[in-house]
Amino acid sequence: DTEVTQTPKHLVMGMTNKKSLKCEQHMGHRAMYWYKQKAKKPPELMFVYSYEKLSINESVPSRFSPECPNSSLLNLHLHALQPEDSALYLCASSQHPDGSDTGELFFGEGSRLTVL
Amino acid sequence: GQQVMQIPQYQHVQEGEDFTTYCNSSTTLSNIQWYKQRPGGHPVFLIQLVKSGEVKKQKRLTFQFGEAKKNSSLHITATQTTDVGTYFCAGPGGNQFYFGTGTSLTVIP
Repeated sequence: DTEVTQTPKHLVMGMTNKKSLKCEQHMGHRAMYWYKQKAKKPPELMFVYSYEKLSINESVPSRFSPECPNSSLLNLHLHALQPEDSALYLCASSQHPDGSDTGELFFGEGSRLTVL
Repeated sequence: GQQVMQIPQYQHVQEGEDFTTYCNSSTTLSNIQWYKQRPGGHPVFLIQLVKSGEVKKQKRLTFQFGEAKKNSSLHITATQTTDVGTYFCAGPGGNQFYFGTGTSLTVIP
């Protein structure tokens, strides 16, 4: 069982909709991540939060807006998405924010997003 | 930027055969991790290697980190159907964490 919880598990939205993906961990981890994964591809890093501050934004379009309300929660706000944004969105956390030695990444089960 | 390539991209084996996936980085890595993702699932951490030339074993799985810390391998002995999935290596670069391209393993009963 994963200790990182993501909701919703599945989401279908139109290009004009606004929705949010949510992620929660209670392991006391200080780094949280959003990854995007297309079918048969590796996870691609989108955002990294270290100590609740955005530390990495991998040139992600502004239609994706991350938010870290506190050390346990991570949100990804979605607005005006395109069909090519359809993918599995994975949240992960690690004990250490240090990019060179994060320790194990704990992944949630993911939110499978379909944009119509 | 850093690139982490894995070969092969796909591997089909008969149950009971061995399997190896190789991971190669364009730069020296301080450490490397391995993850397994079952079909329809999420990546699950398997192991982390830190030292040059390090070898670690987990039951039928053997992980190795190259002497130059630019490559790594995962070897599975006598594959089982439960080994099916995609195996990713992952390594840090700057403040980022890069996943390799992955090797998808199919085990034929």
